[in-house]
Amino acid sequence: DTAVSQTPKYLVTQMGNDKSIKCEQNLGHDTMYWYKQDSKKFLKIMFSYNNKELIINETVPNRFSPKSPDKAHLNLHINSLELGDSAVYFCASSQGYGSQETQYFGPGTRLLVL
Amino acid sequence: RKEVEQDPGPFNVPEGATVAFNCTYSNSASQSFFWYRQDCRKEPKLLMSVYSSGNEDGRFTAQLNRASQYISLLIRDSKLSDSATYLCVVRPNTGGFKTIFGAGTRLFVKA
Repeated sequence: DTAVSQTPKYLVTQMGNDKSIKCEQNLGHDTMYWYKQDSKKFLKIMFSYNNKELIINETVPNRFSPKSPDKAHLNLHINSLELGDSAVYFCASSQGYGSQETQYFGPGTRLLVL
Repeated sequence: RKEVEQDPGPFNVPEGATVAFNCTYSNSASQSFFWYRQDCRKEPKLLMSVYSSGNEDGRFTAQLNRASQYISLLIRDSKLSDSATYLCVVRPNTGGFKTIFGAGTRLFVKA
């Protein structure tokens, strides 16, 4: 009965490869997010997807592309992986988009690019 | 200046101690404030929201000072299980996309 799940949990890959991380939430939430937590533990928002509207953090390279097949899923595809992409990627969801909404996080995907 | 700043710690305290963390934010338009807790190699989880009048949840008390643009978290009677990283979270009234996390304050509670 996991609320927000991500697969895979660990991902080790070579530079230049393309990879995807999947996220699913069973909370019936309307809004989903992708965050990146780097080695210094800063958690930074990458994307927000609310009612089919995608909001992109403009500092995110266009090698990163979110895809939402339906309201319960927000996948993250990364092209041409670079060493600096190594981080923990967290998916999150919230009921709505308001400033008071609680965000629920998935367990994270630890990506290591060699 | 970072948008949200926290003392990284670590704070090393004995069980039963009272410990306080502060967090400052730079955007005066910030609307909502939260404390999240993150255990080692785990996801962040909401600890408590922070309301203008201050609020308490058991051993935890959160305060907001809009004039000075800081929020605080007070933990009384620390338990071993309180050992974690505490993340300050700030959000403007434009909604969840602009959520800003602080880098966190590390707390170790020792027996």
